[in-house]
Amino acid sequence: GQQLNQSPQSMFIQEGEDVSMNCTSSSIFNTWLWYKQDPGEGPVLLIALYKAGELTSNGRLTAQFGITRKDSFLNISASIPSDVGIYFCAGPPVAGNNRKLIWGLGTSLAVNP
Amino acid sequence: NAGVTQTPKFQVLKTGQSMTLQCAQDMNHNSMYWYRQDPGMGLRLIYYSASEGTTDKGEVPNGYNVSRLNKREFSLRLESAAPSQTSVYFCASLTGTGNTGELFFGEGSRLTVL
Repeated sequence: GQQLNQSPQSMFIQEGEDVSMNCTSSSIFNTWLWYKQDPGEGPVLLIALYKAGELTSNGRLTAQFGITRKDSFLNISASIPSDVGIYFCAGPPVAGNNRKLIWGLGTSLAVNP
Repeated sequence: NAGVTQTPKFQVLKTGQSMTLQCAQDMNHNSMYWYRQDPGMGLRLIYYSASEGTTDKGEVPNGYNVSRLNKREFSLRLESAAPSQTSVYFCASLTGTGNTGELFFGEGSRLTVL
């Protein structure tokens, strides 16, 4: 099925470093969602973006809805150990059933204290 | 404030056995979903229910059945479990309308089929 392309696939960083990850698609989206999955838990919504060009922050996290509507970016500043987990991007397709989200495969983040 | 509750959290089955995963949400959401998560495969949609009384296939429905018992509950049944169904299963419910698509997930059910 259709998927979003997330990169990088995994990251291993030092505590205090900034992190950037992105999500791209060959088709446009009207909504971009960023989820985080802690080890052993279900994904939790971090940030939702609804407008092209939109820049939204949630604490140390900042996400942007790309102007082309085909990409989105998530940045984490000053990483801490609890940032460890898998970060997923997702969105409902513009064409087709918007009740069925399209998902990226995730970016796995490890933070070395 | 329970949100989405899944049971059981862990289950081991033998090939050919059947079981039902239960899911309930207390947020009055219309849409509910069942996903499976396998290493390197991300989240794959098995079935979803847009509203009470309706169900539709997702990306990987083979080997599964679902029942939307009422607005709160959405169960997933494996009639004859296979090792390929070893996975972590997540139930989710959807808030918002139109393109908002904000899913709330349960904690997951970890199934092993021997």
